[in-house]
Amino acid sequence: DVKVTQSSRYLVKRTGEKVFLECVQDMDHENMFWYRQDPGLGLRLIYFSYDVKMKEKGDIPEGYSVSREKKERFSLILESASTNQTSMYLCASSVQQGLKYFGPGTRLTVT
Amino acid sequence: GIQVEQSPPDLILQEGANSTLRCNFSDSVNNLQWFHQNPWGQLINLFYIPSGTKQNGRLSATTVATERYSLLYISSSQTTDSGVYFCAVEGAGGTSYGKLTFGQGTILTVHP
Repeated sequence: DVKVTQSSRYLVKRTGEKVFLECVQDMDHENMFWYRQDPGLGLRLIYFSYDVKMKEKGDIPEGYSVSREKKERFSLILESASTNQTSMYLCASSVQQGLKYFGPGTRLTVT
Repeated sequence: GIQVEQSPPDLILQEGANSTLRCNFSDSVNNLQWFHQNPWGQLINLFYIPSGTKQNGRLSATTVATERYSLLYISSSQTTDSGVYFCAVEGAGGTSYGKLTFGQGTILTVHP
């Protein structure tokens, strides 16, 4: 069974803090993705990666950066958290053009 | 980019009823997935179905790629089927490679 894990289920941070969200997959997938989900706006792609050290901007990359130093791990970084980044963050992985597997999500609150 | 529309936005059923959820998409796709989002927020894979028909227990799905739609059928619904159902597609165009675009979801409520 494919497993995608995220470092925290719930996270509360203060405005201006640097925040790291970690995602790990155990199936040697090339592709990894970060989405955020907001009421009324659905799921939107923030960043994705096709391989180690490669990254591509998604639809809403502003205010975020990512890191992929190892194939199994994809980190989302909020350099200076703001209240409008309060959201549900979902990580996914897949082989090339294949079935996408999602992690359990991290509910981030920025106060 | 590719557009994905789901209908209906909300659906209320009595336990035991059948239902059909629809997903329309605006362009050719390499990948189409149906998900159920559980109350804790996790997206559970239901079907990977870029074309054809699949069945898994009380659920089945059909994608008619040439007509750009997919249907999810739920038979003999149970209260545990409640939640949000998402359709997501990966467009066949170069800029869509590898990326899922989600519909807005159908909120299903099943009453006992």
